[in-house]
Amino acid sequence: EIVLTQSPGTMSLSPGERVTLSCRASQSLSRNYLAWYQQSPGQPPSLLMYGASSRATGIPDRFSGSGSGTDFTLTISALEPEDFAVYYCQQYDSSPYTFGQGTNLEIK
Amino acid sequence: EVQLVESGGGLIQPGGSLRLSCVASGLTFSSYWMHWARQVPGKGLVWVAQISDDGKVTNYADSVRGRFVISRDNAKDTMYLQMNGLRAEDTAVYYCVRGGRTVRGLLVGDYFDPWGQGTQVTVSS
Repeated sequence: EIVLTQSPGTMSLSPGERVTLSCRASQSLSRNYLAWYQQSPGQPPSLLMYGASSRATGIPDRFSGSGSGTDFTLTISALEPEDFAVYYCQQYDSSPYTFGQGTNLEIK
Repeated sequence: EVQLVESGGGLIQPGGSLRLSCVASGLTFSSYWMHWARQVPGKGLVWVAQISDDGKVTNYADSVRGRFVISRDNAKDTMYLQMNGLRAEDTAVYYCVRGGRTVRGLLVGDYFDPWGQGTQVTVSS
């Protein structure tokens, strides 16, 4: 089973700031099948990125993803108020599909 | 717009059984692999089970294999999760999720999009 480790666990930031979230895999994702999800309180997760760097439909371009192998990042270029949420990475490269433990972006 | 609506959750005693349903609309249901995932409120996400577009292939997380059965009825645009031998640690919100498609015999795009609103399962005496 591939273990995904996200860092940091919580970040306190202000609107307008740039942030980079990290997701490290315990084994290389041979096809870079890495997705990012955003979850706001009381809501189901929603897809942000897939294939490590492709934005999902309707996702603004302030969100970008990068990485390959074992190290992946999600960058938000300038935080908007609606971006304060929990972010999860997920690998769908091999079964069982696994998620990271999440990074909570909170307003400073 | 794709919509996935789960139902069937509730309070159940340890050792009991529940069947969750997920009705899909706004998509050609029979073209997509589907998944169940779960989340303990305030905790992380866990993949539970996967089923192929034709229902012939299923995969399970180790924690539920042998107790849960995933199935689908493409004529009814509905997926199911039969949960037997329920344990306290199965308590969670269960989400229905659309997965990928089979293209030239290969599963592609098996990321989770969209997610249903979820149904709460509580296992307690």
